[in-house]
Amino acid sequence: GAGVSQTPSNKVTEKGKYVELRCDPISGHTALYWYRQSLGQGPEFLIYFQGTGAADDSGLPNDRFFAVRPEGSVSTLKIQRTERGDSAVYLCASSTLAGAFNEQFFGPGTRLTVL
Amino acid sequence: QKEVEQNSGPLSVPEGAIASLNCTYSDRGSQSFFWYRQYSGKSPELIMSIYSNGDKEDGRFTAQLNKASQYVSLLIRDSQPSDSATYLCAVNHRRGSTLGRLYFGRGTQLTVWP
Repeated sequence: GAGVSQTPSNKVTEKGKYVELRCDPISGHTALYWYRQSLGQGPEFLIYFQGTGAADDSGLPNDRFFAVRPEGSVSTLKIQRTERGDSAVYLCASSTLAGAFNEQFFGPGTRLTVL
Repeated sequence: QKEVEQNSGPLSVPEGAIASLNCTYSDRGSQSFFWYRQYSGKSPELIMSIYSNGDKEDGRFTAQLNKASQYVSLLIRDSQPSDSATYLCAVNHRRGSTLGRLYFGRGTQLTVWP
């Protein structure tokens, strides 16, 4: 079946602008995760959802970052007043359930560049 | 101390050799361990998961876990040039609401030369 999809694949924006990144998980997966990856680093956790609610948002770096999953499927990561330091690849993953033994499968990512 | 540590490499092995990738983690309560492969410019791809002490084999890949030593490794037998990639170790801790999050190492870059 189809994997995790993310749009857009690339986003270039100017400092101070607002951006939205979208993730569509694997069908039937109830858990959805956002990570971001900077060059030469491993993915860094941002937030995860079990269903519609954010189960853990402790990885969001500050209040400019926000994510929603209103119907328990598609999720949107929103970044306000973007800064150059926000430039990274934003990765979305999904799993059947959230928990220690559930394998997470990643989408292709959105490369965000803030000029 | 970082949650998950990997030797960043690069690790270079000849075609047909065994590549050995290592990872240590800090949280003794960690329950599950994953290896992802990431080609340049692509997203991580899950290749192995392991939850119990010992070895787990899948084709040319073997994951090894030693919880007492807080150590997990990945062996790639009969390495091929197509195995050239960065290998990411990821660990899931046992901490209440953080059950779902993975902690990643920086990755080990592997090059298999013909």
